[in-house]
Amino acid sequence: AQKVTQAQTEISVVEKEDVTLDCVYETRDTTYYLFWYKQPPSGELVFLIRRNSFDEQNEISGRYSWNFQKSTSSFNFTITASQVVDSAVYFCALSEAYTGNQFYFGTGTSLTVIP
Amino acid sequence: DAGVIQSPRHEVTEMGQEVTLRCKPISGHNSLFWYRQTMMRGLELLIYFNNNVPIDDSGMPEDRFSAKMPNASFSTLKIQPSEPRDSAVYFCASSFSSGQATPEAFFGQGTRLTVV
Repeated sequence: AQKVTQAQTEISVVEKEDVTLDCVYETRDTTYYLFWYKQPPSGELVFLIRRNSFDEQNEISGRYSWNFQKSTSSFNFTITASQVVDSAVYFCALSEAYTGNQFYFGTGTSLTVIP
Repeated sequence: DAGVIQSPRHEVTEMGQEVTLRCKPISGHNSLFWYRQTMMRGLELLIYFNNNVPIDDSGMPEDRFSAKMPNASFSTLKIQPSEPRDSAVYFCASSFSSGQATPEAFFGQGTRLTVV
């Protein structure tokens, strides 16, 4: 079973629009960690955020914000006032305490910001 | 600070040849991961090391794949013999783990392997 589901395969938005990338996870563990990574066209994977299962506070970093809701097992990512440089594939990932440091990645959402 | 360094960045080889991918993790990190990325399967964990010891190699596809970490600053992933279906981007990542909590992992730029 897929532990991390990113249902949106591709999204296109016009520059300055807001966009939300969805991430739904599945785990039986009470202690787990959630991550978002960005993969720009150049190919590297860039770490964006880490959140543990005991901290449901939303987080904002500049134009980026994350909404963690345990009730719906979701960890969504919103980009406000999108820019062309935000065009990338974004991956959500889960790590469970009982499986150690292994990351389960979603299939990614390809975001294209049109100028 | 230097990030995770992988070499080579690109590798084209003929089927049946041996391929060795190299990784230098971030200094001070004690966990190292090898991932493979393909369009069909996405990002797959192949193996990970903690303090130079392989912890989980269940993701290694078959005996043709092997990984070593002789010391804290170097790891290799070897494929012998290589096959066209091994064509993918191989990522190395490292992290510092001090206990139960899973830290973020930092990825190298990847090695794009093409087996013809």
